[in-house]
Parts: sequence; structure tokens; C-alpha cells
Amino acid sequence: AQSVTQLDSQVPVFEEAPVELRCNYSSSVSVYLFWYVQYPNQGLQLLLKYLSGSTLVKGINGFEAEFNKSQTSFHLRKPSVHISDTAEYFCAVKARGGSYIPTFGRGTSLIVHP
Amino acid sequence: GAGVSQSPRYKVAKRGQDVALRCDPISGHVSLFWYQQALGQGPEFLTYFQNEAQLDKSGLPSDRFFAERPEGSVSTLKIQRTQQEDSAVYLCASSLAPQGNTEAFFGQGTRLTVV
Repeated sequence: AQSVTQLDSQVPVFEEAPVELRCNYSSSVSVYLFWYVQYPNQGLQLLLKYLSGSTLVKGINGFEAEFNKSQTSFHLRKPSVHISDTAEYFCAVKARGGSYIPTFGRGTSLIVHP
Repeated sequence: GAGVSQSPRYKVAKRGQDVALRCDPISGHVSLFWYQQALGQGPEFLTYFQNEAQLDKSGLPSDRFFAERPEGSVSTLKIQRTQQEDSAVYLCASSLAPQGNTEAFFGQGTRLTVV
């Protein structure tokens, strides 16, 4: 089985500042990793995913994440945030074989202040 | 359709009432997932279909929860004798293929409030 830990429930930041949202996972097998964003009263939208290859993955809206196998982490970063980035962010993991079911973390609320 | 569609968007049920939540996945998507998202929490897995076959229902919290996808497209999640703890957003997601490297596309969810 897989599990995901998002260490921060809430991250406040000022507009145009950089931000990092942390994600650690646990799995006995190799995994695929995903970040989703959820705006109020909306479903989840994929930001980016790591499948294989380069450990630095770039996604939509200027976000990127780096897969670190030794630290079992997949932290999400953005060099300069906007007010519109205020949302819930979820890290998810899927096993490469066997179960095809994504497992989600509890989420991190990113709050961007003007 | 262009995306995953769920209906109704909002549902208020009296305790003890039965409810049915509908999910229209993206056309041609083989895999379909149901998740329950409590307020301030991440999505928790309920059940998974591959075409019409329900391959995993380990996340269903009780035998009051039942899901079906009889023709391998539209799915219905039914909750019998609703209780207050069933209040949550129910998310449906679909993906093109069963392989783990395919992303899941989510609907907007159905917010169920049991009063």
C-alpha cells in the first residue's frame, strides 16, 4: 500500500514570493507521483506528474516539482505566486504495478496575500 | 462530453433517506473511481471500476454504500439510510486506461449534506 504525507496544512505567502509545498510518500514499490489543485467548489485539476526520466517536472501555471527517491519526496515549487494561486493542493501517488488507485494526501491550503 | 460530469452538484437529504449520485465519465475512459472528500480533508478512495467490473470496493465505509457501472460508462453511487457522517463531497474520476501512468480526470463533485 502507498501513503502520502503533506506536512503543512496551510501555507500563507505574499504575492510574488516563492513557495514550496511539501509532499512525502511511502511505498514498497516504485510509484508515479502527481500534484493536483482544487479551487473552491471545483474538482481536482492535474498540475503535473512524474512518470519517469528527469526528476524535475514542469507543470501548468508555472509550477514545478522535483522527485527525490532517496528522500521519498515530491515537493511542489513556484518561484513567484499570484493571488489566483490561492487554492488547495493535493499530492497523490500510484503504484507502478498492481493497484491503479491514486492515493491522496490531506492537502495543503495555499493562501496568497496581496 | 468534454469532461467528467457529476449530478446533482448539491444534495440535501434527511437522515434515513436514500440518495443516488451520478457520474458521467469522459467517453472511452476505461477506469472510473469514486472518492469521498470530507471538509478540509483529501479525497479518500471508495471504489474502482474497470469498464463494468467493480475491481475494488475496499474503501466503501459500510454496506449502506453501493456503486454500479452496468454498461461500462455511467456510474451511480447509492447511499442507503443516509447518516450525518455521510455528509461530504463525493468525487468521481475517470482515466483512459488502467495503467498507473495515466492521469485521472475529476468531476466537480456532488456535495451531500445530511440533515
